[in-house]
Amino acid sequence: GQQVMQIPQYQHVQEGEDFTTYCNSSTTLSNIQWYKQRPGGHPVFLIQLVKSGEVKKQKRLTFQFGEAKKNSSLHITATQTTDVGTYFCAGRTPFSGSARQLTFGSGTQLTVLP
Amino acid sequence: DTGVSQNPRHKITKRGQNVTFRCDPISEHNRLYWYRQTLGQGPEFLTYFQNEAQLEKSRLLSDRFSAERPKGSFSTLEIQRTEQGDSAMYLCASSPWGGGTSYEQYFGPGTRLTVT
Repeated sequence: GQQVMQIPQYQHVQEGEDFTTYCNSSTTLSNIQWYKQRPGGHPVFLIQLVKSGEVKKQKRLTFQFGEAKKNSSLHITATQTTDVGTYFCAGRTPFSGSARQLTFGSGTQLTVLP
Repeated sequence: DTGVSQNPRHKITKRGQNVTFRCDPISEHNRLYWYRQTLGQGPEFLTYFQNEAQLEKSRLLSDRFSAERPKGSFSTLEIQRTEQGDSAMYLCASSPWGGGTSYEQYFGPGTRLTVT
């Protein structure tokens, strides 16, 4: 079955440093979504990438989708304490009659030290 | 509040008991999903509804789990004969329908199940 792996599992940074999390799929994805889960909270949608090589930016966050549509990354510039949480990628395979489900990675837990 | 709601928020039960959770999605959303999340892991897909039809069910889902969405609005997830391994956060999410297009999923706060 499809597997989505994320690295690193944990990342501690000083406030102001950059942060990157990487997501790799065992199969080609039709699209990939990123979610953020604050401690004690529920996942909140950040963005969706669909096209090969796509890059999207949201303020200090930059999302990339690989050319082969099997990997993705999230980069945060100049982290702030409000960035604390776990970041999940979630991939969907091309529709094959039973592929509405998202497969989530195990997440990267970000700690920002003030 | 027009977000996804789930009840109860916490449930403690003894092994072997049955439990039922409820999810009320965002009213205009046709799609509803159930996930299970354990500590340090991402949400794991359990099942998916489009309106009242259950279109997908994880192959990992035991026969002890059943879900319904009788009128295409709220949904219930029942676990029969609970086991300690069922202890987890059960998340519900909903999204609008857009043909073959993927849409963001809006998650509820979850129901934390503890089986003693």
